Amino acid sequence: DAGITQSPRHKVTETGTPVTLRCHQTENHRYMYWYRQDPGHGLRLIHYSYGVKDTDKGEVSDGYSVSRSKTEDFLLTLESATSSQTSVYFCAISGRTGGFTGELFFGEGSRLTVL
Amino acid sequence: KNEVEQSPQNLTAQEGEFITINCSYSVGISALHWLQQHPGGGIVSLFMLSSGKKKHGRLIATINIQEKHSSLHITASHPRDSAVYICAGDMEYGNKLVFGAGTILRVKS
Repeated sequence: DAGITQSPRHKVTETGTPVTLRCHQTENHRYMYWYRQDPGHGLRLIHYSYGVKDTDKGEVSDGYSVSRSKTEDFLLTLESATSSQTSVYFCAISGRTGGFTGELFFGEGSRLTVL
Repeated sequence: KNEVEQSPQNLTAQEGEFITINCSYSVGISALHWLQQHPGGGIVSLFMLSSGKKKHGRLIATINIQEKHSSLHITASHPRDSAVYICAGDMEYGNKLVFGAGTILRVKS
């Protein structure tokens, strides 16, 4: 199994509080992704990173920020959580090369509930 | 219209049946991924293919680039195959995957 872990796995928080989710990999993959999964929407890309300090927005990036200060860690931050950000968040990594994403490896998911 | 469409949305099969899940896409892709997600569980990559056919155990994935269509077949289905199956297109331009909404498969014993 690919070495990718997310923390926390479950979190309940209140509207307006900051939340940070962590994704840690031991595969030395260049590309890391944060997705959210909601009923009726499937997986949607929030942000991704293609290297240390190199990040870009996905299709649902509003209200989220990310940071990648080292290869193995990709942090997703909700500066001020809202109820619409209640979701299951998945981190993924890939050894993307030559225009192909390559095989994807997903973390176990982090279930966030914003009250 | 979604860029990646899956059918059916829900599928119930009897153990032992041959199952087909379809994925059609309207955008240019460089590869097509099939993923599996068990209830309450994580997501596992089953296949990544850009042409032809791949087989792993009882699972077979095919893709027809000209017709922009891919299929996932499960032979001799088993209750443990019950899961959500998701296809995703690796966009030809841009570092992006576009996901289908998923097919919920239930295999009854």
